[in-house]
Amino acid sequence: GNSVTQMEGPVTLSEEAFLTINCTYTATGYPSLFWYVQYPGEGLQLLLKATKADDKGSNKGFEATYRKETTSFHLEKGSVQVSDSAVYFCALISLTGGGNKLTFGTGTQLKVEL
Amino acid sequence: NAGVTQTPKFRVLKTGQSMTLLCAQDMNHEYMYWYRQDPGMGLRLIHYSVGEGTTAKGEVPDGYNVSRLKKQNFLLGLESAAPSQTSVYFCASSPITGNGYTFGSGTRLTVV
Repeated sequence: GNSVTQMEGPVTLSEEAFLTINCTYTATGYPSLFWYVQYPGEGLQLLLKATKADDKGSNKGFEATYRKETTSFHLEKGSVQVSDSAVYFCALISLTGGGNKLTFGTGTQLKVEL
Repeated sequence: NAGVTQTPKFRVLKTGQSMTLLCAQDMNHEYMYWYRQDPGMGLRLIHYSVGEGTTAKGEVPDGYNVSRLKKQNFLLGLESAAPSQTSVYFCASSPITGNGYTFGSGTRLTVV
């Protein structure tokens, strides 16, 4: 079956530090890959996505590249801000099995301090 | 631009009580989903629907029932609540292409 593995948190960084959150996946077929962000007390929002190998998704300074050879989709940001503090979820959709069901990783909490 | 609306936002139940969580979407999406979020476990799919009048089991369906009588609504029912069902519940919808989900803001349920 499909699965997503993320690095465990919490990750604590100083403002303007470089961020990497690792994500690897196992899936049948050719999945689409996503990063979602959840701010405290809120639902999940789509941060970025990539639908095929070597695609790079980007949004709000965050980037992730779909690496089929390493089955990875690591999230990066060059300079984090306090407002980036949130929980980040890596996820995939594999169109096999119907329903376009999202499979999530366990989430990584990011804390950015001044 | 409501998107996906969940009601209620908070609820406390006693063990054995029943309740229904309502999810409504105004984007004409075909697919709808119910997830639960628990610490250290991410989001797990409870049930989903690929269209009006259809439902299917997800990863953790036991203890829950769902109905999709109208395309825009997806109801999640707990017939006899248990403390293990204490969680945050999220509804989501997506178009057939599956290129993006829209999530509701969640329902925090506590069963005592």
